[in-house]
Amino acid sequence: GAGVSQSPSNKVTEKGKDVELRCDPISGHTALYWYRQSLGQGLEFLIYFQGNSAPDKSGLPSDRFSAERTGGSVSTLTIQRTQQEDSAVYLCASSKPRTGGGVNTEAFFGQGTRLTVV
Amino acid sequence: AQKITQTQPGMFVQEKEAVTLDCTYDTSDPSYGLFWYKQPSSGEMIFLIYQGSYDQQNATEGRYSLNFQKARKSANLVISASQLGDSAMYFCAMREWGNDYKLSFGAGTTVTVRA
Repeated sequence: GAGVSQSPSNKVTEKGKDVELRCDPISGHTALYWYRQSLGQGLEFLIYFQGNSAPDKSGLPSDRFSAERTGGSVSTLTIQRTQQEDSAVYLCASSKPRTGGGVNTEAFFGQGTRLTVV
Repeated sequence: AQKITQTQPGMFVQEKEAVTLDCTYDTSDPSYGLFWYKQPSSGEMIFLIYQGSYDQQNATEGRYSLNFQKARKSANLVISASQLGDSAMYFCAMREWGNDYKLSFGAGTTVTVRA
């Protein structure tokens, strides 16, 4: 597709269940970011993939959160044993490779997944 | 430590007037880029404007301009001739070459344009 695609767009889950959020970046974009945004708040960094480097997981709030990126393309963010405080919009963004794009390359965002834990 | 600081949580501006959104940043990397994004109530993140650390001139894109003061480490966004459609949240972001190219965001500023 032409843009960053996230699925599902909305997810309602019961407390304690596991959820998987998917991000399909723009083709050729090796940098991929996950952010979390609570209502009316800023973007909370979660995890960053850059090419074949080890991901920067410094923003993951707990060990219930994990993410992987298969084949350098699609990424899945998994939240285990969801809690009500996990309710937020999860945004994925991608950008061109560092060597091919440089610092001036903007990140393109998906529409986000709105997660509601009830 | 905070990489990007946006000190104005919310602002009101009259239609057709200009508004300046503050952004200061913290880096020791000589190579970095600064970005501004707009997020309307629909939730999409829209890229507005970019300023590179080596750029000699302030960036401009239509009604958006960036007041880049490198020595003060500030990159304020100026929106001229505000329109009702400018009401949104605005985020300042930075990418540093030495920080593995990671993109860091500020807390955002909500702008409300009044008719």
